[in-house]
Amino acid sequence: GAVVSQHPSRVICKSGTSVKIECRSLDFQATTMFWYRQFPKQSLMLMATSNEGSKATYEQGVEKDKFLINHASLTLSTLTVTSAHPEDSSFYICSADLGTSLWSSYNEQFFGPGTRLTVL
Amino acid sequence: AQKITQTQPGMFVQEKEAVTLDCTYDTSDPSYGLFWYKQPSSGEMIFLIYQGSYDQQNATEGRYSLNFQKARKSANLVISASQLGDSAMYFCAMRDHGSGNTGKLIFGQGTTLQVKP
Repeated sequence: GAVVSQHPSRVICKSGTSVKIECRSLDFQATTMFWYRQFPKQSLMLMATSNEGSKATYEQGVEKDKFLINHASLTLSTLTVTSAHPEDSSFYICSADLGTSLWSSYNEQFFGPGTRLTVL
Repeated sequence: AQKITQTQPGMFVQEKEAVTLDCTYDTSDPSYGLFWYKQPSSGEMIFLIYQGSYDQQNATEGRYSLNFQKARKSANLVISASQLGDSAMYFCAMRDHGSGNTGKLIFGQGTTLQVKP
């Protein structure tokens, strides 16, 4: 099956530093990747849609200068949390789309295992 | 606007019994897909089952089945013969043309299921 990895799985950093999270599709090419944020016991909130070779599309309310997304290749997207603060502490999850017809009879979006960010 | 609603924040079920997790959705697009995911305490999102809006039959995957009632815009997940390992948070999600063809998923609030021994 399709596998998506994320690195690191857990990171603790000091306030003011920047943190980069990588999302890789290991056995397929993903033209589109998605970044979600999840607070404890809450739902996944889409932050941005990342397309290979183009600028990411951010959801309303998400600061693009704060959360930098780069989709440099068909297998790698990165999320950089710049000048992190304690309120940025959260669980960040990426997903990758197989890129087949959106309206095929069966469609899956494959999720990475997530990155738990703690900002002190 | 697209919306997914899960009205049960928490549910309990006895081991080996069946349980239904509710999900209602709202979309003006006739073409859409509905998904259920399981998220254990480890945080990984595990895909369970998919239902397309044009599918004639309810989807089934092992112990999971989806009770799809299109007129009511509901897509409830039924787990049969519950196991202790089913204890997790469950999310209903939808994608449709309203997503701007980006394929993004809209998630419900989630339901925490606890299976009692």
